[in-house]
Order: sequence, then C-alpha cells, then structure tokens
Amino acid sequence: GAVVSQHPSRVICKSGTSVKIECRSLDFQATTMFWYRQFPKKSLMLMATSNEGSKATYEQGVEKDKFLINHASLTLSTLTVTSAHPEDSSFYICSARNYRLAGGPYEQYFGPGTRLTVT
Amino acid sequence: AQKITQTQPGMFVQEKEAVTLDCTYDTSDPSYGLFWYKQPSSGEMIFLIYQGSYDQQNATEGRYSLNFQKARKSANLVISASQLGDSAMYFCAMREGYVENSGGSNYKLTFGKGTLLTVNP
Repeated sequence: GAVVSQHPSRVICKSGTSVKIECRSLDFQATTMFWYRQFPKKSLMLMATSNEGSKATYEQGVEKDKFLINHASLTLSTLTVTSAHPEDSSFYICSARNYRLAGGPYEQYFGPGTRLTVT
Repeated sequence: AQKITQTQPGMFVQEKEAVTLDCTYDTSDPSYGLFWYKQPSSGEMIFLIYQGSYDQQNATEGRYSLNFQKARKSANLVISASQLGDSAMYFCAMREGYVENSGGSNYKLTFGKGTLLTVNP
C-alpha cells in the first residue's frame, strides 16, 4: 500500500540552529501534503498545507518565517524550523494526499513523525 | 465551537471486553467524512475506520465498528474483544466537504483531543 516516510525520525539540536524535516510519498504523487504538530498527550494541530509548486497555506497563528515549507516535487515536502528554540520541541507529523483516491478513506496517509528536541 | 469533541480523556477496559469511545462532531456541510485513528506510543497514526456522511450503513472493520448517528452528530468507535495491543491514544477526525480543484484547504482533517485507552489484563 501507499507509504509516507519522514526523515529524520528523531533530532536533537541546539537552540538557534535550523532543522529540516523531509516528508516523502514513496509510491504515489502527492500534490498536497500537510504538516501537523503534536505536543505530548495532545491532539494534532494542522500547521500548514503544502501544495506542489506553490506557496504553502499556513494556519492562523503559525509563523511562516519560523516554519518554512517547501514542496518542490510531487513526492517531497520539507519543513524547516528556523532558529529553533526549546518551545519548538514537539512531534511533527506530515501527511500526503493521494489525489487518485480523493474523497475516500485512503485519501491521506500519515508519515511516522519526527520528534524534535531543542536544547 | 469545537468541530470534533471527544469527552473521554481516558478509558479503561478489561481484556476481551468491548469498549466504546465517544465522538461528536459539528458541521453544516452535508458532505463530510469521519475517521478514527489509533496512535500507539511510537507516534505513528494508524487509520482504523471511515464513515462517509452519505453512507447508509455503519462502517465495520474487523473488531472495529463505528456507531454513526447522523441526527445526533455522533460517530462512536466500538472495539470488540479488546486486546492488550489496543492500548493507545485514539483520535476521531473529520474532513468536511469535497470540492474538486478547490485547493488544499478543503481536504483538511480536524482532530479531536483524543482518548487514551488502557486495556488491562
């Protein structure tokens, strides 16, 4: 079946550095990908919708200069956390939309997530 | 108003018994889809079951069934014959509307706060 990968699965970085997280759809083309953030024992909060070849659409309250999203190809979207601080520590999950299965239950597939710790 | 409400922060069930996880939703869109996901401690989101707003019958997938009561706007998940491996966080989610070529925003999933299920031996 369809698979979405994320890399890295875990990352620890120092405050002030930038971290890039990759989200890849492995066997389907994803014109749309979504980036979520999840705090411990909390729900998934949508950060932004990433559309291939165009600018991402950010949810209210999400700093677009802080969380840079690039969707340069039909199988790859990246989230860069710039000048990371401890409060950016979280679990980041991407999902990819398979437009061929649009409207049904298998339209979106989730990646395994990336746990970011900023020290 | 919250679009997805899960009122049970935590639930406990004995192994081999059935358990119902509650979910209510709020939408004015006639076309929507309801999802249940399982998230174990590893963090991956595992799709369990789906109910479309126009589906006449309640969805079932193995030990999972969805009790869809459209008039009450509820979509409770029933897990039969609980297993120790069912211990996890469970999220109810909704996708509203479907408009072709409308861009990404119409395909968003909105999640509830989740219910932590613990299966006791």
